[in-house]
This record gives sequence, C-alpha cells and structure tokens, in this order.
Amino acid sequence: GIQVEQSPPDLILQEGANSTLRCNFSDSVNNLQWFHQNPWGQLINLFYIPSGTKQNGRLSATTVATERYSLLYISSSQTTDSGVYFCAGRVTGGGNKLTFGTGTQLKVEL
Amino acid sequence: NAGVTQTPKFQVLKTGQSMTLQCAQDMNHEYMSWYRQDPGMGLRLIHYSVGAGITDQGEVPNGYNVSRSTTEDFPLRLLSAAPSQTSVYFCASSHTRLLGEQYFGPGTRLTVT
Repeated sequence: GIQVEQSPPDLILQEGANSTLRCNFSDSVNNLQWFHQNPWGQLINLFYIPSGTKQNGRLSATTVATERYSLLYISSSQTTDSGVYFCAGRVTGGGNKLTFGTGTQLKVEL
Repeated sequence: NAGVTQTPKFQVLKTGQSMTLQCAQDMNHEYMSWYRQDPGMGLRLIHYSVGAGITDQGEVPNGYNVSRSTTEDFPLRLLSAAPSQTSVYFCASSHTRLLGEQYFGPGTRLTVT
C-alpha cells in the first residue's frame, strides 16, 4: 500500500521561530489535507490542498502533486501551535479512502 | 451547527462485550468514516460510507460493523470486544463523496480489559 512519510517526526521550537513540515507520498495522491491534533486530542482541518499554495494567517501549505510531496509552513510559532500535525491523501484510483501519515509532534516553548 | 458529534466520550468494556459508538453530523455531508488512532500509528481507516445505504471497508475493518440508514448517522458496532480494540476512535465527515475537506468529531476513548 501507499506509504506516507512525514518529517521530522519530532520538533521543538522556541516561540517566534519558523518551521517547515514535510509530507512525502510513495504514490500519486489527490485530496491532500493537513490536520492539527491539539494536546486535548481534537483534530482540526488546517488545509485542503490538492495542489498549489494556500495561506491562512501564520500557516501556509504547498503541494506539488507531480512530485508527491506537500509542505506545511508555520511562521512566528506560538505555544498554541503545539500538538501533532498530520497529512493525509487519497491514492489516485484507490477508492474513497484517506491515508494518513504518522505525524510530526511539535512542541513550542516559551 | 453542532458539526460532528460522538458518544460516548469514554467507555470501558470487558472482553467479549458488545457496544455501539455513535456518530452524527448535521451538515448534510455525504461522506462519513471511522478511524482508530493508536500510539505511533497515526489514524487508520476502519469503515466508510459515501451515502445512506452504502458502506465499504477501510484498512482495518475486522471486528467492526457499520450501517448508514440515514445521512446524519453512522454508528460503529463492536460485536465482541477484544483488548486489541483498545484505542481512540474518531468519526469524520465530508461534504462530498469524493473526499473533500474532512471534519472530525471529538473522539471516543475505548478501553477493553
């Protein structure tokens, strides 16, 4: 099956720092999405980004579908950004199923 | 809108017991799905539905049953609980059956002893 690799697996930042999270897919995907799971376990959809670039405040995401990767940028990080970031995508021709990566655990410290 | 709701929030079962996890959404979404989340393994798809009366298996369907009699509800049944089913269960929905933006419920933490 498809492999979804996220890097780095763990990241510690000082408040105010910037970071880039990466998601690589082993096969062609569409419907790519990024999620944030906060420390209380709630999963929030950050971006639905099959291709191109989107921005929402301090967060932005870029997907290059032809090269099977997506990037999530966090600028001026805040402690509330802590949690786990997941990417997920649907394999082209693989049915209506999302496959998730194993996540990047982010901790932002004061 | 309440969004996606799940009940119960927490549940403890003994091995062999059965139970139903409830999921409902009030956004008229076509697509609904169930995932389980285990430490270090991300989210894995159990079952999904692209509309009332239509369900299909995901990555880890064994031990779970689903049905979709209405657009709003998508319950997940454990027929005979096993310790391996100890996990956090999330329900999600999407407006389109073609897997658009996914909205998640708050989760149910299940422990099987």
